[in-house]
Order: sequence, then C-alpha cells, then structure tokens
Amino acid sequence: DAKTTQPTSMDCAEGRAANLPCNHSTISGNEYVYWYRQIHSQGPQYIIHGLKNNETNEMASLIITEDRKSSTLILPHATLRDTAVYYCIVRVSYNTDKLIFGTGTRLQVFP
Amino acid sequence: NAGVTQTPKFRVLKTGQSMTLLCAQDMNHEYMYWYRQDPGMGLRLIHYSVGEGTTAKGKVPDGYNVSRLKKQNFLLGLESAAPSQTSVYFCASSTPGGNIQYFGAGTRLSVL
Repeated sequence: DAKTTQPTSMDCAEGRAANLPCNHSTISGNEYVYWYRQIHSQGPQYIIHGLKNNETNEMASLIITEDRKSSTLILPHATLRDTAVYYCIVRVSYNTDKLIFGTGTRLQVFP
Repeated sequence: NAGVTQTPKFRVLKTGQSMTLLCAQDMNHEYMYWYRQDPGMGLRLIHYSVGEGTTAKGKVPDGYNVSRLKKQNFLLGLESAAPSQTSVYFCASSTPGGNIQYFGAGTRLSVL
C-alpha cells in the first residue's frame, strides 16, 4: 500500500473550516483514501473514504486531486469536539490486514 | 446499540502472568481485529479473523494468541506477559473487506 505523509500538527479556530492535507504520491489505481480520527484515549473513528471523486457525508468532505497524489479532509465548521488525531490511510479495498495507521495529524481546535 | 465492547478497560500484570482480553460486537460483523497502540505510534495489527473459527496473523503477532469460537466474540490471549507488551489494545470489527472498521474503547495494559 502507498505511504502517506501528513503534517504533525495543525490548529484551527472554532467555527472555521479545518483543512487537513495528505500526500500519497505513490498511490496506485485500485487504492482508496480513508480517513479516521482518534479523540484522546478513545478508539479510532471512521470519517470518510473515496477513490477518485470528491466525497461528502455528515461529518466531512474529502477532496482528492485529479492525479490522486494528494487529498484534503475538510471539516466545514470545526468544534472543540473535533480536537483529535486524524489519520489518512491508503489501501486496496478488501485488503483485510492493510489498514495501516501512521502517526497522523494532531488537530487542535481552539475557542 | 453497544457496538464494540472491550473487557477489561484497565489491567496491571506482573511479568510472566497470563490474561485474556475479550472483545464483543453486536453488529453481526464477519471480520474482527486486534491492534496495539504504543505512545507516539499508530495502531499496529496483531491478529484478525474473517469469520467464526478462523484467525490469521497481522503485523506483530508474536507473544499473542487469539480465538474466535463465536461470531460475536474475539479473544486475545497473552500466555506469558512481558513488559514490552505494555500498551493500549484496541479491538475492531467490520463487514467483509474491512472498508469501515468500528473500534472499541480500548484496554490499557501495564506489565511490570
């Protein structure tokens, strides 16, 4: 599976959009981009995933560049509860043992 | 709806002791997983199961055993605990393929 690169940490003001980047320049055609987050001391939580097209759900939006070498997770109106570590994961769908978590981006939302 | 429940939440062991961590899910998921998370690191897969009666090794299986006797339960065993197994252990479950995994709250284990 392709390796991902994320900034170590980011800050965001409450109520503003949080844009979390992820670089996956070696992604292959059958690999999906997944985002999970982990709020302090809790288990990871699935956020969203996509292959080529931009995706949106009740939690976030995922923007994947046309060449698929990078993506951005957007939390449209960040709240204090969104403070967490966000993991960008690239994997082939149906590859059972390949959900590989890196160190992620620590997002701090401040009042 | 409880989701994924891990028992116990905390445990302290002495080196050489054994214990079993229990994971239970009520979502009728086929796949279940055990991960460990160490400070400053991401989660690492220990073992997983794609169905009742089946198990497979993940990336860091040494020192652990697992069993999946019932579809809803996945047990992680430490036969002879070592300080290197001090960690936070997470269980997860998913539908086939593992696209979306649902995690438990974790078990914090200290081995002295």
